[in-house]
Amino acid sequence: GQQVMQIPQYQHVQEGEDFTTYCNSSTTLSNIQWYKQRPGGHPVFLIQLVKSGEVKKQKRLTFQFGEAKKNSSLHITATQTTDVGTYFCAGVDNYGQNFVFGPGTRLSVLP
Amino acid sequence: NAGVTQTPKFRILKIGQSMTLQCTQDMNHNYMYWYRQDPGMGLKLIYYSVGAGITDKGEVPNGYNVSRSTTEDFPLRLELAAPSQTSVYFCASSYLQGPVNTEAFFGQGTRLTVV
Repeated sequence: GQQVMQIPQYQHVQEGEDFTTYCNSSTTLSNIQWYKQRPGGHPVFLIQLVKSGEVKKQKRLTFQFGEAKKNSSLHITATQTTDVGTYFCAGVDNYGQNFVFGPGTRLSVLP
Repeated sequence: NAGVTQTPKFRILKIGQSMTLQCTQDMNHNYMYWYRQDPGMGLKLIYYSVGAGITDKGEVPNGYNVSRSTTEDFPLRLELAAPSQTSVYFCASSYLQGPVNTEAFFGQGTRLTVV
């Protein structure tokens, strides 16, 4: 079945440094979504990418969807302590039925 | 709107006991999901439903059962609790528009401990 992988598993950065997490799917995706989960919280939707090669920005966050629609990345510029949490990508298969979540990247930001 | 509501928030079960985790959504979403999240790990799909009366297994369905009698409710049943079912359980819902699924809205989670 479809598998979604993410690297790195953990990332510790100093406040102000940049951060990138990568997401790779074993199959071509209909679309990909990104979620953030704060410690002790529930996943919260950040963004959805649908088109091949699509790039979207939300303030300091930049999201990319690969040309082949099998990979994606999330880049945070100048991290802040409020960015702490686990970032999950979720690939949606071509039938649009299921979200397959990656294992997540846990970000720690040292002040 | 309340969104996705899960009850209870916390529960301790003894081995062999049974319980039902409740989930209800008020967004008229057709898709609903149950995930479990073990400490420090990602989300694993237990069961999902594409509409009332239709359910299907996810990645880790053993030891669980679900039903979807209405669009709003999607309860998860644990029949014989085992320590391996200690986890945080999240219910989620989304809406399918053509080939594209909208974002998933998650409940606050149920922290279950089996002792």
